[in-house]
This record gives sequence, structure tokens and C-alpha cells, in this order.
Amino acid sequence: DVKVTQSSRYLVKRTGEKVFLECVQDMDHENMFWYRQDPGLGLRLIYFSYDVKMKEKGDIPEGYSVSREKKERFSLILESASTNQTSMYLCASSAVDMGHTYEQYFGPGTRLTVT
Amino acid sequence: AQSVTQLDSHVSVSEGTPVLLRCNYSSSYSPSLFWYVQHPNKGLQLLLKYTSAATLVKGINGFEAEFKKSETSFHLTKPSAHMSDAAEYFCVVSAGGYQKVTFGIGTKLQVIP
Repeated sequence: DVKVTQSSRYLVKRTGEKVFLECVQDMDHENMFWYRQDPGLGLRLIYFSYDVKMKEKGDIPEGYSVSREKKERFSLILESASTNQTSMYLCASSAVDMGHTYEQYFGPGTRLTVT
Repeated sequence: AQSVTQLDSHVSVSEGTPVLLRCNYSSSYSPSLFWYVQHPNKGLQLLLKYTSAATLVKGINGFEAEFKKSETSFHLTKPSAHMSDAAEYFCVVSAGGYQKVTFGIGTKLQVIP
């Protein structure tokens, strides 16, 4: 059974703290994604990685950075957490093939609250 | 360029009646289209996908969707709603072969007993 796991289901942090969200997939997928989900806005892509050490900005990268040192692990970093980063964060992974878009497999999400 | 519009933010049906969740898309290239479901406090799960094969796509749990190029639509249907179908549903588009996808804002389905 395919699996994407996220390090925490719930997290509470203070404004200004550095926050690390970890994601691990066991499917040997090349692509990994970080989204944030907010009511009425759907899922918005923060960053995307298509290989180890490779990354691409998504629609809302400001205030975030990412790290992918190993194929199975993709980390999202909030350099200095702010209250407007309170949200649900979802990690996903997918296979890749030229000319084909594969479905994404999602983790259970991390609900982050910044106070 | 790609975009997706889910026409209803909330849909309410009685148990045992048909479900229709509407989705229109825009894509510069031949699109790949997906429907995902999210139950409360869970991640997203793939329901079905269209990738230029048959235009009528069957998914899990009795759901299906029809790709209509002339109408740029990909509506999700189910003949008979079950209580366990209550969830949020997301329509997703990708310009053919593009690895990044665009999500609709979601439709919350309520099933009334």
C-alpha cells in the first residue's frame, strides 16, 4: 500500500519561530509537492521538487523554503513563522513520465497554528 | 495556462438520490483531469482520472465523470448517494504532461438521511 507520511498532524508554534514540516514517501516517486489548504481557496502549491536537490516555486512561495536531500524526503521550512501561515499543509508525491501527468498521493496533512 | 472552476461550493442531496458535482476547466493543451475526495481531517484520495483515453471515466465507490471537450466540462456523478459520500471534492486540471496541477476550490457534499 502506497504511503506518504507527514511528521506531525498538529503543530502549534509562536510567531518568529523557525518551523520544519517533514514529508516521507515510500513509492520511489520523483515528484514531491507542498500545498497549503485554506477554506474557500482550495489547495495552493507552495513548492514542487522533481528530483533530489531540485525545486521549483509554486504559486505562493513567499515566506517558505524547501529541502530535498534524499529522494523519499521533502521538507518545508517556515523561516520565521507568522500568523498568516496558520493553515493545513499537505504533502504529495507522484511518478513522472514525459508527456503524462500522474495522479498525486497525499499525506494526512499537518494543521499548523501560529500564535 | 490552465484553470479550473467548480461551480458549486456546497451541494446537498438526500441519501439514495443522484449526485452531480460540476467542474469546468481551461487548458492550452490537451488536459489531464482528476477528481479527488477529502473526508474530514484526512488527506486527499484519488477518485478517478481522465488522460485522453475513454471520455467516460469510472472511479471508485460508484463515481464516474464524463470529459466533454466541446463544453470544457468534467462533471462528477453518482447514481445514488450514500452517507459515507459526505466529504469535500476537488476537481484538478493539468495541461497535458505538465507535472504541476491546478486545484478547484472544492465542493462540499452534504448527504441528508
